[in-house]
Amino acid sequence: NAGVTQTPKFQVLKTGQSMTLQCAQDMNHEYMSWYRQDPGMGLRLIHYSVGAGITDQGEVPNGYNVSRSTTEDFPLRLLSAAPSQTSVYFCASSYSVDRFTDTQYFGPGTRLTVL
Amino acid sequence: AQTVTQSQPEMSVQEAETVTLSCTYDTSESDYYLFWYKQPPSRQMILVIRQEAYKQQNATENRFSVNFQKAAKSFSLKISDSQLGDAAMYFCAYRRDNAGNMLTFGGGTRLMVKP
Repeated sequence: NAGVTQTPKFQVLKTGQSMTLQCAQDMNHEYMSWYRQDPGMGLRLIHYSVGAGITDQGEVPNGYNVSRSTTEDFPLRLLSAAPSQTSVYFCASSYSVDRFTDTQYFGPGTRLTVL
Repeated sequence: AQTVTQSQPEMSVQEAETVTLSCTYDTSESDYYLFWYKQPPSRQMILVIRQEAYKQQNATENRFSVNFQKAAKSFSLKISDSQLGDAAMYFCAYRRDNAGNMLTFGGGTRLMVKP
């Protein structure tokens, strides 16, 4: 298994540009989520999905869109990038939300800089 | 809203010694889960240990153990026989039961290990 993969690893955008951060997992996990990590801080939840076709907002959803058309993929879209969105973005997945299978596996992160 | 606080931005330990990282949290829930994640310079988030609030026994994973004080809302991580590879950022995280798999993270503690 490749686990959780994220592309790209690094990205530089100009203010106002749009882009999509890709996240994929090959573990047949139902639950997937996106976090952002700002310098010197812990991760904060942006959006999450409990299965294909189902998404919901986390703690800091503004400026981001998600969709979940397949179990494997959970892309994060920045509609109009702003400097405040400069951060490291992590995708995570777990088999379920049941207490016995809820361990989350994180991808390697995408470092995004918005100029 | 739940909050997780790590009051030690940085800690230092001599190789082979023991170190304890502190974490406190605020919640009105009775059922929840607590985690410690390690983030080395590679940025990968690695689960170190987890604790279910309904369990009175403290979790242990090899050299890592926790001191879970539910009444005090405290969840500290003890690393015994510290190794150079333990140097990393450590994040405490909280997850409420029956709330998907959303994690709330503390701000992190940077652990340095001296040879």
